[in-house]
Amino acid sequence: ETGVTQTPRHLVMGMTNKKSLKCEQHLGHNAMYWYKQSAKKPLELMFVYSLEERVENNSVPSRFSPECPNSSHLFLHLHTLQPEDSALYLCASSQDGTGSAEAFFGQGTRLTVV
Amino acid sequence: GQNIDQPTEMTATEGAIVQINCTYQTSGFNGLFWYQQHAGEAPTFLSYNVLDGLEEKGRFSSFLSRSKGYSYLLLKELQMKDSASYLCAVRDSNYQLIWGAGTKLIIKP
Repeated sequence: ETGVTQTPRHLVMGMTNKKSLKCEQHLGHNAMYWYKQSAKKPLELMFVYSLEERVENNSVPSRFSPECPNSSHLFLHLHTLQPEDSALYLCASSQDGTGSAEAFFGQGTRLTVV
Repeated sequence: GQNIDQPTEMTATEGAIVQINCTYQTSGFNGLFWYQQHAGEAPTFLSYNVLDGLEEKGRFSSFLSRSKGYSYLLLKELQMKDSASYLCAVRDSNYQLIWGAGTKLIIKP
């Protein structure tokens, strides 16, 4: 139990589908993150939300659309994805985005685009 | 550009000691983190260094030299459960975390 819960754990979708990934944190943190983890590559930061406002968007394609309705929930809406988008998508939260505040990660969603 | 380098894979023997190195080139420095990630699981926080020197936490220790852009994670009395990937990350001047690709550690009996 990490305090950060992601659903679903596994997702297979076609390139024309629309799906959403969900993340929920029970730690009272103010910042939430979406990361992409591909095999043998560094974690890629996709989006950062602080106090429900997006503060970072690392040039992520528009086929990925985040939503943060409140400080405990974060969504990643997916549409018209490509096979190269297949990866592990990790959600994380931290007390804030600075200093020694470590990030707590969810178990991730293993996404396969066919 | 910003870069974190760590070995791709290391092998060690149960009961032994292993040192995983991490070198970094980043725009500014606001701390270095080590995380452990077992296959199919979430990364979990191990240590944080912001000043030079050694931080010890049980069987795990982490060292930092800011002048050399270098850190290492030292694991003592290795156990089979220590088989995992170890991720090095640096917080840069914009407080963004820059991640290494991770070191896969294989422990053999």
